[in-house]
Amino acid sequence: SALTQPASVSGSPGQSITISCTGTSSDLGSYNLVSWYQQHPPKAPKLIIYEGIKRPSGVSNRFSGSKSGNTASLTISGLQAEDEADYYCCSYAGSNDYWVFGGGTKLTVL
Amino acid sequence: VQLVESGGGVVQPGRSLRLSCAASGFTFSDFAMHWVRQAPGKGLEWVAMISYDGSSKSFADSVKGRFTIARDNSKNTLHLQLNRLRTDDTAVYYCARDVYYYGSGNLHYWGQGTPVTVSS
Repeated sequence: SALTQPASVSGSPGQSITISCTGTSSDLGSYNLVSWYQQHPPKAPKLIIYEGIKRPSGVSNRFSGSKSGNTASLTISGLQAEDEADYYCCSYAGSNDYWVFGGGTKLTVL
Repeated sequence: VQLVESGGGVVQPGRSLRLSCAASGFTFSDFAMHWVRQAPGKGLEWVAMISYDGSSKSFADSVKGRFTIARDNSKNTLHLQLNRLRTDDTAVYYCARDVYYYGSGNLHYWGQGTPVTVSS
């Protein structure tokens, strides 16, 4: 089953926001293999966090990830207009389901 | 790093299509590769993975038994064979490179996508 994300979040420039991603003990809760993607439609997604907390080279340190139990979180600090995008989480879910994405969260910068 | 998909198009239900992904700018044989799709107006769905040497493959339940994945490391090319297509296979199909040689699901680089429309 897909991971659960809020459909939308919003914040003002300079503020911080957090997007949650809730799974189960069979997927997100069992593995430290959570990744986060930013997508500016209709462009391709971009990896911004992997293995829960790591940032690829070139990704702003305003993006950070964390995990507690069956829930992972993406925090964006110092919101900027360019952060307005869709965000997706993804987790390994074992050798039957392999990888599952969240439904996506639309971030609006007010 | 560049990933360029091709092969998408309009196809009737029940027919087949072969997608390709040409890779450049990195050592293709060092990384696992994935296909991810996105239906119109919908979210991302992982489709398939192949390990760096092709020895390990995995598929989403929604495509298992209908789609196959292959790679040609001598030609730096990834393929996805789509058989017995259904209308709900309509989506943009992205190829993506893993962070590691095995399939970790951390999809570092993505192509621009190729659209597949299944319609009668």
